[in-house]
Amino acid sequence: LAKTTQPISMDSYEGQEVNITCSHNNIATNDYITWYQQFPSQGPRFIIQGYKTKVTNEVASLFIPADRKSSTLSLPRVSLSDTAVYYCLVGLTDSWGKLQFGAGTQVVVTP
Amino acid sequence: NAGVMQNPRHLVRRRGQEARLRCSPMKGHSHVYWYRQLPEEGLKFMVYLQKENIIDESGMPKERFSAEFPKEGPSILRIQQVVRGDSAAYFCASSPRQGADTGELFFGEGSRLTVL
Repeated sequence: LAKTTQPISMDSYEGQEVNITCSHNNIATNDYITWYQQFPSQGPRFIIQGYKTKVTNEVASLFIPADRKSSTLSLPRVSLSDTAVYYCLVGLTDSWGKLQFGAGTQVVVTP
Repeated sequence: NAGVMQNPRHLVRRRGQEARLRCSPMKGHSHVYWYRQLPEEGLKFMVYLQKENIIDESGMPKERFSAEFPKEGPSILRIQQVVRGDSAAYFCASSPRQGADTGELFFGEGSRLTVL
């Protein structure tokens, strides 16, 4: 399984863009990259998934360079409610449920 | 369409007692996963089940822990003779099939076990 490395924490102000980069140097050819969000006392919630280049949905964008050894989750114009832990996961789509969540990145948004 | 339902949300047990945690997957989902989360840590995979089958229990402790997903009813994670180190949040997730195309797992709110 590809090991991921992401910052422990990031601070931001409301209205700013937050970019969280995840390193996954040993990503395999068939691996996908998925990000989850977890609020205190809640289960994780799926944000976005991608394989290469750029993926965008109503919540975030995911940028994946050509070598796929890293990926960046971009949260546009964050609000206080975006304060959460964000997890980067890398693996095959047929083994999602067995992936280990790392410590994630604690994002704190302040006014 | 109700989400993944877990109960109880909070459970307190004394050392040596048994803890039973229940998980009802989303309607139409036949794949269930259990995770454990210790304070200030990420989620750790424990077991993956389909109806009446344990598919992968590589994350389960070898003793005292068991899981089932019967043909009828919720999935149950059972911890016998609990110890203080079992205190954690236990999350259940479900998917309609292995490797849902979007890679999305649907998580419940978790069950928080406290062992006194």
